Amino acid sequence: LAKTTQPISMDSYEGQEVNITCSHNNIATNDYITWYQQFPSQGPRFIIQGYKTKVTNEVASLFIPADRKSSTLSLPRVSLSDTAVYYCLVGDPWDTGNQFYFGTGTSLTVIP
Amino acid sequence: DADVTQTPRNRITKTGKRIMLECSQTKGHDRMYWYRQDPGLGLRLIYYSFDVKDINKGEISDGYSVSRQAQAKFSLSLESAIPNQTALYFCATSDLWTGTGADTGELFFGEGSRLTVL
Repeated sequence: LAKTTQPISMDSYEGQEVNITCSHNNIATNDYITWYQQFPSQGPRFIIQGYKTKVTNEVASLFIPADRKSSTLSLPRVSLSDTAVYYCLVGDPWDTGNQFYFGTGTSLTVIP
Repeated sequence: DADVTQTPRNRITKTGKRIMLECSQTKGHDRMYWYRQDPGLGLRLIYYSFDVKDINKGEISDGYSVSRQAQAKFSLSLESAIPNQTALYFCATSDLWTGTGADTGELFFGEGSRLTVL
């Protein structure tokens, strides 16, 4: 299972774009990259998932370079409600033995 | 009603007591998981089950046991609770990833069970 490395914390002002990078140097060919968001005292919730290049949904974009050894979660124009912990996970969804390991995540604080 | 329900939501107990945390889901998923969260340590996987007859240890299974009573129910037990098991516990479910359409194999979490062992 590929391990991931993320910054422990980040601060941003409201209205700015935030980019959180995750390193996964040992990513395997069949691995996908998934990001989750967690608010205090709540369970994480899915944000976005991708395999390569760029994926965009209504809340975020995910950029994955060609070598796939890193990925960047981009949150456009953050608000105070985006203050949360963000987790990057890497794994093979097809693998029946796949386990979801979360790590420590990146704590994002949005400042007024 | 929540798709993934955990009971109890809060529990205070004493060292040496047996504790059971229960999880039930209405999503129809085969896969269920138990995590614990400690401040600054993220979520750590305790046990997971891919169907009723399948139970697997995660990163930190020592001191815990589980029971998969049915597709919809997955219980976590602490046979003899100790203070360092004080944590926030989460149950989660996921479906088998098919790789089609909008399917992501994502995890769906319950609201958590906060356990304090004195």
